[in-house]
Amino acid sequence: EVQLVESGGGLVQPGGSLRLSCAASGLTISDHWMDWVRQAPGRGLEWVARSKNKPASYTTEYAASVKGRFTISRDDSKNSLWLQMNSLNTEDSAVYYCATDISGIYSSYWGRGTLVTVSS
Amino acid sequence: DVVMSQSPLSLPVTLGQPASISCRSSQSLVHSDGNTYLNWFQQRPGQSPRRLIYKVSNRESGVPDRFSGSGSGTDFTLKISRVEAEDVGVYYCLQGTHSWTFGQGTKVDIK
Repeated sequence: EVQLVESGGGLVQPGGSLRLSCAASGLTISDHWMDWVRQAPGRGLEWVARSKNKPASYTTEYAASVKGRFTISRDDSKNSLWLQMNSLNTEDSAVYYCATDISGIYSSYWGRGTLVTVSS
Repeated sequence: DVVMSQSPLSLPVTLGQPASISCRSSQSLVHSDGNTYLNWFQQRPGQSPRRLIYKVSNRESGVPDRFSGSGSGTDFTLKISRVEAEDVGVYYCLQGTHSWTFGQGTKVDIK
């Protein structure tokens, strides 16, 4: 069974930092492009960042709203994905989902998400 | 940036009846590789999103065949042939041709 388990969410003050983790089991992330997608409370889905795999040169891409503040990284040997979030503001408050291949031809798997709340 | 516009935003449906959701993009979703990267996701209440359709009309493994996707260029449609109670939730389109952008979502509930 494929599982993606996010962790690292919590309450952080504006301007602060947080590092989210995504541990994968039942699949090998080296075969997949990996994404972070977020959902603010009561709102829709927003793509945040993508980490492509080795055949795609480990390219990373970011939404304009987080570029320069967030960094996506992966360790294929640990089957894990991370999202380093700096200079957080209230608009970054959301459930953050780890997902595979959201727009590819391979099956797309999603975790249950981790809640990030940015508030003073 | 590509803008994805869904309609309607709210869709009350009768059990056993068909339902249709439209998704329009601000520019063509035909990629330079010839593919059209338009996906549909379902998010049931309290659950994570689940992809139903990829590349316009391909169903994910395990997705019931009452769900179908169609369209081309800038206009796309998700159809449910006969709505069941478990289909209640919010449906999102996602384009993956020009970076990645979700539509606003369409809330489907039972009349």
